[in-house]
Order: sequence, then structure tokens, then C-alpha cells
Amino acid sequence: VQLVESGGGVVQPGGSLRLSCATSGFTFSTYGIHWVRQGPGKGLVWVSRMKSDGSGTIYADSVKGRFTISRDNAKNTVYLQMNSLRAEDTAVYYCTRVRYSGSSGYFDNWGQGTLVTVSS
Amino acid sequence: DIQMTQSPSSVSASVGDRVTITCRASQGITNCLAWYQQKPGKAPKLLMYAASTLQSGVPSRFSGSGSGTEFTLTITSLQPEDFASYFCQQTNSFPWTFGQGTKVEFK
Repeated sequence: VQLVESGGGVVQPGGSLRLSCATSGFTFSTYGIHWVRQGPGKGLVWVSRMKSDGSGTIYADSVKGRFTISRDNAKNTVYLQMNSLRAEDTAVYYCTRVRYSGSSGYFDNWGQGTLVTVSS
Repeated sequence: DIQMTQSPSSVSASVGDRVTITCRASQGITNCLAWYQQKPGKAPKLLMYAASTLQSGVPSRFSGSGSGTEFTLTITSLQPEDFASYFCQQTNSFPWTFGQGTKVEFK
């Protein structure tokens, strides 16, 4: 199982970036994928979720209306389009695979992360 | 949103020590709790899910317990590779939220 993020970089406030999460080693179309971020020296913050069939997108309030999650099951890839970026969006962004034990979800595999820096 | 509060924020310990980390939820989350270990510059690694189920490949010196609002992660006989940060996460309701983390440091 591998998840590999890309697309991070330095962007000015108000700018946009699109992160990609390329996956391999598992049947991508049967798993939901989430994004989690971690600001410098800070804790983990859940950002967004998309179910295996592309439905059920949910966002943290802090990114709602600015970020859009999508997936291409033909390319085994999930995307996070980030618009109207703010300084507080500066973080390492991780994509994660979700599994469930009954109703209890958990992230069993994580990518290595990609750094997004929002600065003028 | 459900708030997750971990204690302590940091703990100093020695190899061979027993370490217990507590995670409290602001409302009941049944057993929808996971624990992760994170080392500097690395992605988090899953240790435990459904509060007390050990992830495959994780050493048995790690154990989890609890239900409802109070949970614990225990490391018996701390090993050098266990010095890291630990995070709990509730997956009972969105937004899924994490505790602020507990750093296990060398005494």
C-alpha cells in the first residue's frame, strides 16, 4: 500500500494549489480517502473526506467553500483543490486511507505528506 | 465538534518504564477511537483502533482501553524506538478530531 502526495509549494495569500494523492497497492475504488493537515509544530487536523464512490464529501469548517476534494478512480488518485489560501493554511498535508471496524473508523495508511506554505 | 483532550502533554520516561496516556472526549464516542504514533518529520503511524484493537505489526507492549469518554494508551516497558508523539482521534462524528498530542521524551 502506498499513498504519495505531490503539488505542495509556496503560494501567496489568495492563491490556489492542487494537491494530488497517487495511490497503489490496493483496490483504490473500494476505499475512502481523507486529507489531514499539520501546521508547523502543531497537532493533526482533519480536513476533508471522500467516500470510495466519490460521494459523501465533507469538509472542516475552516476550509469549507475554499477547498474541493475529488478523485479519479481510473488514475487511483485523489485531489485537493485549494483556493483562496490563507496564512493559516500553511501545513503539511497528508492523504490517508480509511478503514472501519464496525462503526469505528481509522487511518491505516498515510502518505509522506506535502508542505504547503502560504506567504507573501 | 467533539473536543479531545490528552494528558499529559509531555512525559519524561526511561527505557523499561510503563507509560500511560489519557484521552478524554467532550461527549460520548462509544469505542470510536484510534491512537497514532508520530516521529519528527514522519507521517503518523496507526497503533490502535476501535479503542483497544492492536493494529497488525504493532508490538504487544502497546495496549488501549476505554469506552464512552475516557480512554487510555499504555506502553509497558518503553523501548528506545517508542520515544515519539502520540495522538488520539475520535471517529464517532464529523469533523473527526484529534487530541493535541503527548510527547514521550527521555528522562
